Amino acid sequence: DAGVIQSPRHEVTEMGQEVTLRCKPISGHDYLFWYRQTMMRGLELLIYFNNNVPIDDSGMPEDRFSAKMPNASFSTLKIQPSEPRDSAVYFCASSLLTGRVREKLFFGSGTQLSVL
Amino acid sequence: GESVGLHLPTLSVQEGDNSIINCAYSNSASDYFIWYKQESGKGPQFIIDIRSNMDKRQGQRVTVLLNKTVKHLSLQIAATQPGDSAVYFCAEARSGAGSYQLTFGKGTKLSVIP
Repeated sequence: DAGVIQSPRHEVTEMGQEVTLRCKPISGHDYLFWYRQTMMRGLELLIYFNNNVPIDDSGMPEDRFSAKMPNASFSTLKIQPSEPRDSAVYFCASSLLTGRVREKLFFGSGTQLSVL
Repeated sequence: GESVGLHLPTLSVQEGDNSIINCAYSNSASDYFIWYKQESGKGPQFIIDIRSNMDKRQGQRVTVLLNKTVKHLSLQIAATQPGDSAVYFCAEARSGAGSYQLTFGKGTKLSVIP
């Protein structure tokens, strides 16, 4: 398996623009997570899905952030409008509920977002 | 140790020596613990996990020790190699099908001196 695939690897945009980050989870995994990583706050969970259904979006910072999972092999995280403070590395991760554990996450390589 | 601010704690070790990375977790109800390794420009990578009914688990060159009494977790890396240079995160969770509760620590940077 190719692992979790994220695109783009790097995104540079101007404040106010819409940004869309993409993720393809590992085939067969039933959980998908979006994390944001900054030096100040470390890894923060934004939202997670189970079987394509959003379960908990309490980590989404504002209404400017939205996430979708239209099918088991694709998810997007959208920021509209983007702001400089959104600059961070965004990770997608997936996992499979095995033996009551779904916390063994497999991460993608991340998208480095810079909002100017 | 765990970071409490902007700067990650750093551990520098000589190649071939053993490394010990420590982590204090916060929730006494946590019953599942994981160590992740994050190399520069990459996502965190699973290393080893341990359930709360164990106090030690060994993998290839890595050992995780759990002390529930003092809520302490450690990762031992034997014969540290340059490829082990990375940031290491501990994570704690209450496993199960209920609300997802995985919490990551701030990380420790391991630098291996050739």
